[in-house]
Amino acid sequence: ETGVTQTPRHLVMGMTNKKSLKCEQHLGHNAMYWYKQSAKKPLELMFVYSLEERVENNSVPSRFSPECPNSSHLFLHLHTLQPEDSALYLCASSQVVAGVQFFGPGTRLTVL
Amino acid sequence: DQQVKQNSPSLSVQEGRISILNCDYTNSMFDYFLWYKKYPAEGPTFLISISSIKDKNEDGRFTVFLNKSAKHLSLHIVPSQPGDSAVYFCAPEGRFGAGTRLTVKP
Repeated sequence: ETGVTQTPRHLVMGMTNKKSLKCEQHLGHNAMYWYKQSAKKPLELMFVYSLEERVENNSVPSRFSPECPNSSHLFLHLHTLQPEDSALYLCASSQVVAGVQFFGPGTRLTVL
Repeated sequence: DQQVKQNSPSLSVQEGRISILNCDYTNSMFDYFLWYKKYPAEGPTFLISISSIKDKNEDGRFTVFLNKSAKHLSLHIVPSQPGDSAVYFCAPEGRFGAGTRLTVKP
């Protein structure tokens, strides 16, 4: 597989569930990102990792917990989410931070 | 991100005409400016970029202009085609604006 992949593509969860989103990049990039896109809102940068170290955390609630075990994989662990967390969650990677980003197709999350 | 503003949420143009999408930013330290294009239910894809040492970069029908003193950049698409209909994001160094939805009418 090439590019940036995200699984699952769709996820429905209750507010008490715990789930994880997975992102994998096959581009040899060193930086990875999580974004949230809610309906009719701008793309919101959530987390930035560079060489597996978190370099940015934009005031994201603690119910979202990122994990970057290596430069090819990025996870977003979800627990006790709220309905307003329903959105499209996009993962991206770039060679270096602030470089051209390549995006995955996103995970459409619905919190009931 | 309030550092980047795309003040026009939408733009509609006729096929064959020029589309001009604008972007303003506040951080004078930005060195590298990117434009992305996004179709519904897909992630954004990189379109064109410009570095702060240039004031113009052209790639086929797409040209980006940078005015550093005004902290303003614009994307010109000419001639516009119906397939260009999408949301366009200005993203200096990964800071995304709110996007402008371009509709090109046949």
